[in-house]
Amino acid sequence: KNEVEQSPQNLTAQEGEFITINCSYSVGISALHWLQQHPGGGIVSLFMLSSGKKKHGRLIATINIQEKHSSLHITASHPRDSAVYICAVTPTGNQFYFGTGTSLTVIP
Amino acid sequence: ETGVTQTPRHLVMGMTNKKSLKCEQHLGHNAMYWYKQSAKKPLELMFVYNFKEQTENNSVPSRFSPECPNSSHLFLHLHTLQPEDSALYLCASSQELAGVSEQFFGPGTRLTVL
Repeated sequence: KNEVEQSPQNLTAQEGEFITINCSYSVGISALHWLQQHPGGGIVSLFMLSSGKKKHGRLIATINIQEKHSSLHITASHPRDSAVYICAVTPTGNQFYFGTGTSLTVIP
Repeated sequence: ETGVTQTPRHLVMGMTNKKSLKCEQHLGHNAMYWYKQSAKKPLELMFVYNFKEQTENNSVPSRFSPECPNSSHLFLHLHTLQPEDSALYLCASSQELAGVSEQFFGPGTRLTVL
């Protein structure tokens, strides 16, 4: 069993819809990361958080440490948001456990 | 150049070839990583280097040999690979602060082993 589980695995949305991707983990962590991977392969770090909520533009990430759960929300989704979104956790500084990713397609 | 760069971006090699992947980070970070990404699987950590010293080797076969000559450069030497080694190989770097670090990824090398 993977230490990090994401849902859904695949998601298709209409442009403008509000999107939520969920992440659950089973280990104690110092931080949780949300990453974005476009079809070309490169990965970009969207958020690193250890409590509460962070917002960057149309993206919002929340974490509940007690429930070992995090969500990534995208408001007013756009086709350029189409990518794979990966949740990762760090039990310690150099250790990372990754989810399998959520493939998002936003249709115009 | 900024961020983390990787070369080559694509590589096709036979099972008897020897090749090397190169990673360079321009961020002044103290840790560098090699990951393997296969289809439908989570990212797999292969190696971690802190201040040029290898601190993690996640049971990676010896046909993969890392080298970290300085804190900005990381290599992955490949020899006698198998077709199942075909994957996207990603390099990342980070600066660990108070036990937490954010990773910055390179664009990856798409490797195909024939």
